[in-house]
Amino acid sequence: DVKVTQSSRYLVKRTGEKVFLECVQDMDHENMFWYRQDPGLGLRLIYFSYDVKMKEKGDIPEGYSVSREKKERFSLILESASTNQTSMYLCASSLSSGNTGELFFGEGSRLTVL
Amino acid sequence: AQSVSQHNHHVILSEAASLELGCNYSYGGTVNLFWYVQYPGQHLQLLLKYFSGDPLVKGIKGFEAEFIKSKFSFNLRKPSVQWSDTAEYFCAVKVYNTDKLIFGTGTRLQVFP
Repeated sequence: DVKVTQSSRYLVKRTGEKVFLECVQDMDHENMFWYRQDPGLGLRLIYFSYDVKMKEKGDIPEGYSVSREKKERFSLILESASTNQTSMYLCASSLSSGNTGELFFGEGSRLTVL
Repeated sequence: AQSVSQHNHHVILSEAASLELGCNYSYGGTVNLFWYVQYPGQHLQLLLKYFSGDPLVKGIKGFEAEFIKSKFSFNLRKPSVQWSDTAEYFCAVKVYNTDKLIFGTGTRLQVFP
């Protein structure tokens, strides 16, 4: 069964802290994505990666960075957390181009920045 | 840039009522379209998808969607909703020549018994 696992379901951090959100997929997918989900705004793409060590900015990359050192793992980093980064963060993965394009999602990490 | 619009933000229905959720996209070329559902406390999962062929697509749990190219629409329908359909529904379009999906703002559906 397809599985995308996000390491933390709930996090509470203080303004200025560095935050790591980890995501692991067990499907050998080439693509991995980080979205944030906010009420009334839907899902917005932060970054995605189509291969190890490769990354591309999404629609809202400011304040975030990512790391993909291994195919199965994609990390989202908030260098200095701010209150406007309080949100639900969703990781997803998919097979590479030429396929159906279906994304498989993790359960999400709800981050609160105080 | 490609975009997706969902005009119904919050829909409230009684069980057995019919459902139609609107979705419009902006791109005029070949599109791949999706509907995802997020049940309370659960992860997003695929409801149905359209790539080519028959514009009427059937998905899980009795849902279907119709691709109307001339209207740039991909509306989701279900003839008779159940309380268990209470969820948030997202329409998405695959960005041309990439593997990225752009999502709409979502529609929250509440079904009362």
